Amino acid sequence: DTGVSQDPRHKITKRGQNVTFRCDPISEHNRLYWYRQTLGQGPEFLTYFQNEAQLEKSRLLSDRFSAERPKGSFSTLEIQRTEQGDSAMYLCASSLVGGDGQPQHFGDGTRLSIL
Amino acid sequence: GDSVTQMEGPVTLSEEAFLTINCTYTATGYPSLFWYVQYPGEGLQLLLKATKADDKGSNKGFEATYRKETTSFHLEKGSVQVSDSAVYFCALGKGGATNKLIFGTGTLLAVQP
Repeated sequence: DTGVSQDPRHKITKRGQNVTFRCDPISEHNRLYWYRQTLGQGPEFLTYFQNEAQLEKSRLLSDRFSAERPKGSFSTLEIQRTEQGDSAMYLCASSLVGGDGQPQHFGDGTRLSIL
Repeated sequence: GDSVTQMEGPVTLSEEAFLTINCTYTATGYPSLFWYVQYPGEGLQLLLKATKADDKGSNKGFEATYRKETTSFHLEKGSVQVSDSAVYFCALGKGGATNKLIFGTGTLLAVQP
């Protein structure tokens, strides 16, 4: 179990640029989640995949955000035309399908800073 | 809608003191409840969980009991250490097809030697 891996750890970009983050879940986990965490707040749900299917998207996920999980393995989260308000920590988590108590395992996150 | 409310921090304690971090929730149905811990510069780690009323989750000396009558899941530890200094998040799991987590705002714990 190598844990959930996220890349990059930090991303600094200018407003208006596009950015892409990658998440590698724990290998046997078929559920994958993206959350966003701003300073002083708890993580907020963005979107969820079961295998390669994106099954739910939060209203927080504007049209500038897109997430994919090709082949049900790693996932990418892309933000187009970044804005100041996109500055946050983006967290990825994975879990097994199972009962409601299945815990989600989190990566260390990608911190995005918009100049 | 569903939500989690945690006591505001920071909580500052001396080593070996007793810790309580309050957490209450509002939810439809029967959510699972979790405590996650976030050490500086790291991601969230699951600390403990409880999946039904009256369940007690425990790990590393921390405990929390799922109280449906008071909709609470307070975190306790009998004797804190400096190494327990971190941000603690209470969360509920919605279950169902998504099982997404809804988090509280987090409570910063600072333990002084």
